[in-house]
Amino acid sequence: GAVVSQHPSRVICKSGTSVKIECRSLDFQATTMFWYRQFPKQSLMLMATSNEGSKATYEQGVEKDKFLINHASLTLSTLTVTSAHPEDSSFYICSARDRGFDTQYFGPGTRLTVL
Amino acid sequence: GESVGLHLPTLSVQEGDNSIINCAYSNSASDYFIWYKQESGKGPQFIIDIRSNMDKRQGQRVTVLLNKTVKHLSLQIAATQPGDSAVYFCAEGRWGDMRFGAGTRLTVKP
Repeated sequence: GAVVSQHPSRVICKSGTSVKIECRSLDFQATTMFWYRQFPKQSLMLMATSNEGSKATYEQGVEKDKFLINHASLTLSTLTVTSAHPEDSSFYICSARDRGFDTQYFGPGTRLTVL
Repeated sequence: GESVGLHLPTLSVQEGDNSIINCAYSNSASDYFIWYKQESGKGPQFIIDIRSNMDKRQGQRVTVLLNKTVKHLSLQIAATQPGDSAVYFCAEGRWGDMRFGAGTRLTVKP
């Protein structure tokens, strides 16, 4: 099946710094990518939907200036957590959908810890 | 590049029938398994989870079965309703290191 990668898999940063997480579709063109956040034992929370070449659509309650999403190519979307705080510590997961198909492939996730 | 996408596996059931959605996994070290439901336009919603020290767990109208010997997970939905129509994902691993399946689309016919 199609593969979606995320980098880094784990990151620890100091409060106030910014962290960039990459999501790549390795063998298909992802016209749409999704960014999720997951707290332990809880559902994936959809943060935003990103379409290649256009601005991301953020879910209600998600600060677009804090969670910057860039989907500059058909294989890469990035999520930048700006001025990170300890409450931003979480598991961030992306998924990608192939053009013309409805299957959604998930990345392995990035565990962010903000000290 | 050439598209390698797939249309989701689909399961179509009659309203009132029971549904069984299957998921195979490969990592024998996985100790936590989750089923999610995703309706169109929404994020995945937690349905039920199970730890590897159990082989069955029941919720409201749903049952998850885990067969560690063959690395197989299933979700059973009793008396399927039109509101159950959605894409169902399984996830396996450990929290912070989860793998998600591609999903199965369940369609409930009235």
